[in-house]
Amino acid sequence: NAGVTQTPKFQVLKTGQSMTLQCAQDMNHEYMSWYRQDPGMGLRLIHYSVGAGITDQGEVPNGYNVSRSTTEDFPLRLLSAAPSQTSVYFCASRRVYEQYFGPGTRLTVT
Amino acid sequence: AQSVTQLDSQVPVFEEAPVELRCNYSSSVSVYLFWYVQYPNQGLQLLLKYLSGSTLVESINGFEAEFNKSQTSFHLRKPSVHISDTAEYFCAVYAGGSEKLVFGKGTKLTVNP
Repeated sequence: NAGVTQTPKFQVLKTGQSMTLQCAQDMNHEYMSWYRQDPGMGLRLIHYSVGAGITDQGEVPNGYNVSRSTTEDFPLRLLSAAPSQTSVYFCASRRVYEQYFGPGTRLTVT
Repeated sequence: AQSVTQLDSQVPVFEEAPVELRCNYSSSVSVYLFWYVQYPNQGLQLLLKYLSGSTLVESINGFEAEFNKSQTSFHLRKPSVHISDTAEYFCAVYAGGSEKLVFGKGTKLTVNP
């Protein structure tokens, strides 16, 4: 199993550009989520999904959109990037209470 | 809503010394508690978890944590650390009925020779 995969690993955007961070898991987990990690802030939940077709907001959802058309994929969209979105983004999937994390995407918005 | 407080943002220690990383949580319902470790430039890995049963839980690499309900704490300990334990450690909590895993802000453990 590949576990949770994320692409790209690194990305630089200009303010106002849009992009999609990809996340996929091959463990057939129903629950998936996106976090951002900033120095001294820990991990903050952006959006999560409890199954295909069902998504909900986390702690810091503004500026991000998600959809969940399949069990395997959970992309995160930035519609108009802002410097405040410079961060490391982690996708995760969950089996019961154990959460598995992807390797992360480091995003810089200039 | 639940919250997690990690009392130390940075903990420097010497190799082979004992270490304790402190974690307190707040929740009015039953909780499930976790410690995750993040090595430099990597994702997070589950280190250990408390779901029920014995309040003392152990990891395969010598860490242990004790769930203390009266003090709402889940401190992480290791009797003798190695250079390779240098990493950032995150405490996290699920509260009963919640779909959300809430993280503390992390503690950077630096083990010096």
